[in-house]
This record gives sequence, structure tokens and C-alpha cells, in this order.
Amino acid sequence: GESVGLHLPTLSVQEGDNSIINCAYSNSASDYFIWYKQESGKGPQFIIDIRSNMDKRQGQRVTVLLNKTVKHLSLQIAATQPGDSAVYFCAEKESGGGFKTIFGAGTRLFVKA
Amino acid sequence: EAQVTQNPRYLITVTGKKLTVTCSQNMNHEYMSWYRQDPGLGLRQIYYSMNVEVTDKGDVPEGYKVSRKEKRNFPLILESPSPNQTSLYFCASSLLAGGNEQFFGPGTRLTVL
Repeated sequence: GESVGLHLPTLSVQEGDNSIINCAYSNSASDYFIWYKQESGKGPQFIIDIRSNMDKRQGQRVTVLLNKTVKHLSLQIAATQPGDSAVYFCAEKESGGGFKTIFGAGTRLFVKA
Repeated sequence: EAQVTQNPRYLITVTGKKLTVTCSQNMNHEYMSWYRQDPGLGLRQIYYSMNVEVTDKGDVPEGYKVSRKEKRNFPLILESPSPNQTSLYFCASSLLAGGNEQFFGPGTRLTVL
């Protein structure tokens, strides 16, 4: 079946550096791609989304890039801070079929002080 | 405070003993959903509801039931729990069925012995 996956299970970055978290997807029919952040002991928290007809979207310190040619999604975090340490999930959603959201396995980001 | 609440937060039970995990949101959201989170598998959708009295199966519905009699509540029912339902469960809601930003509850950690 269709799946959303991640290239790396863990990522360690120095405080102040930029982080890039990657994600591969396989469902060409997905309309939206979404990033969530999950801190220890908490539920996931929405970060940013991008529609399938876009290739870039920026938020506060975050940028999501979408490359439909290779079915690749990335989340860039600028000037990574200790508070960014968490597990990051990419997810995809298709508008038809009940708006089901399919999550990837997650990438754990460690920020070194 | 706008939030999604779940109860109980922790539960240890035995095989076959019926249980209900409650979920309530105070944001007047139409869409509600249940997920289970297992190590290495990300979040998998169990059931979702696009509005009152409208529910549908997600990717892993076997062994679960839901109901949506009121807009704010979406309980998850395990009629006969089994050890393979030991997991971390999250309830989520979004304003509309097509909304990408889901608000997650704090999670319920269930252990079935």
C-alpha cells in the first residue's frame, strides 16, 4: 500500500545550525503534506503544511520544500534551538476518501548545546 | 483554554475486559479522529468522524469501536481488549474535515495484560 517514510530515524545538530529533516512519500494523489512536531510526553503539534501544487512554503523559522518529481519532502529549521528537540513526523493527506492522514515513522532531532 | 482532553491518561487492564477511552474537544470542531502510536510505526489512524453521527474506518479499525453522538465527544471503545492493542492512543480534532491542522490530545497509554 501507499506509505510515507523518512530517510533518517535520528538527526543531531549543533545549536544555531540549520536542520533539514527529509521525508519520502509514495502516493502521487496526496493533496497536502504536513509536518508535525512531537515533544516527549505530548501529542503531536502542527507545524506547517504545503499543498501539492506548491514547491515551497515558509513559516516562522521553518521552510517546507516539496519535490514532486522525486516524491520528496523536507522540513528546514533555521537556527535550531534546544526547544526544537523532538520527533518530527511528515504526513500526507488525500482530499478524497475521508481526508485520511497518513503519518511517517518520525525522525528524532537532537539539538546539542 | 482550547484543547482536546483524553481520559484516562494511563490504563492497565486485562485481556477481554471492555474499556472506553474518552475524548472531548471544546473548539466546536467537526472532524475528530483516533490514532495509535507504536514504536517505529508512527501514528496510524483507527477511526475518524467528519461530523455528528458520521464515523468511518481508518487504517487499523479491527478491535475498536467509536461513536459520535455529540459534536464534542468521540469515545474509543475496546469491547474485548487484547495484548496487541497495547499502545499509545491519541485523539485529535480539526475544524473541518479538510483541515490540515489537527489538534491532538495528550495521549492515553494503554497496557493490556
